[in-house]
Amino acid sequence: DAGVTQSPTHLIKTRGQQVTLRCSPISGHKSVSWYQQVLGQGPQFIFQYYEKEERGRGNFPDRFSARQFPNYSSELNVNALLLGDSALYLCASSITGGAGAYNSPLHFGNGTRLTVT
Amino acid sequence: EDQVTQSPEALRLQEGESSSLNCSYTVSGLRGLFWYRQDPGKGPEFLFTLYSAGEEKEKERLKATLTKKESFLHITAPKPEDSATYLCAVREYGSSNTGKLIFGQGTTLQVKP
Repeated sequence: DAGVTQSPTHLIKTRGQQVTLRCSPISGHKSVSWYQQVLGQGPQFIFQYYEKEERGRGNFPDRFSARQFPNYSSELNVNALLLGDSALYLCASSITGGAGAYNSPLHFGNGTRLTVT
Repeated sequence: EDQVTQSPEALRLQEGESSSLNCSYTVSGLRGLFWYRQDPGKGPEFLFTLYSAGEEKEKERLKATLTKKESFLHITAPKPEDSATYLCAVREYGSSNTGKLIFGQGTTLQVKP
């Protein structure tokens, strides 16, 4: 079975530019979450989407936005890139986003490595 | 403030030398504690979920345990292929935001042959 797929795998951007990262969840999973992982640190929560609605947002500036499509895939957009945005961006999916999701682990993709120069 | 702290930051073992990794957490209410393994350049791979104090889960050479304040990941007779970063994460009770896990900084394990 295909796991969570993310594209692109690597990306190099210049300060001030905008970037869009893409994620396809595991088949049957309706919830997608985005995380940022800086080198040497654990992942930090950015967003969760379930049934195309935002269910949660972490402590990130408004330059970060996301959306979920009818097929449950998702995009993460980052505007006005800063050097500090350089990180591994991880997408995770889970079966549900409602009350039953408390028992559902997150399954992660291999991420998009973003480098801002 | 909710937080998760893992120790040690790095651990070097000889093949066959058993040890334990620690995850201490402070949350208003624990809904679940998760262990993940992360290889270089890869995303975290799910290992275990623990829900209540006293619970234990096992998988091959790994055994995870949970108390009210911490979790341990015991590695018995490790092999070089067990080398990876092990991440601990918690999900808070009462939050409707089920996609949010609070991660520790990880323990990087190196097992030498």
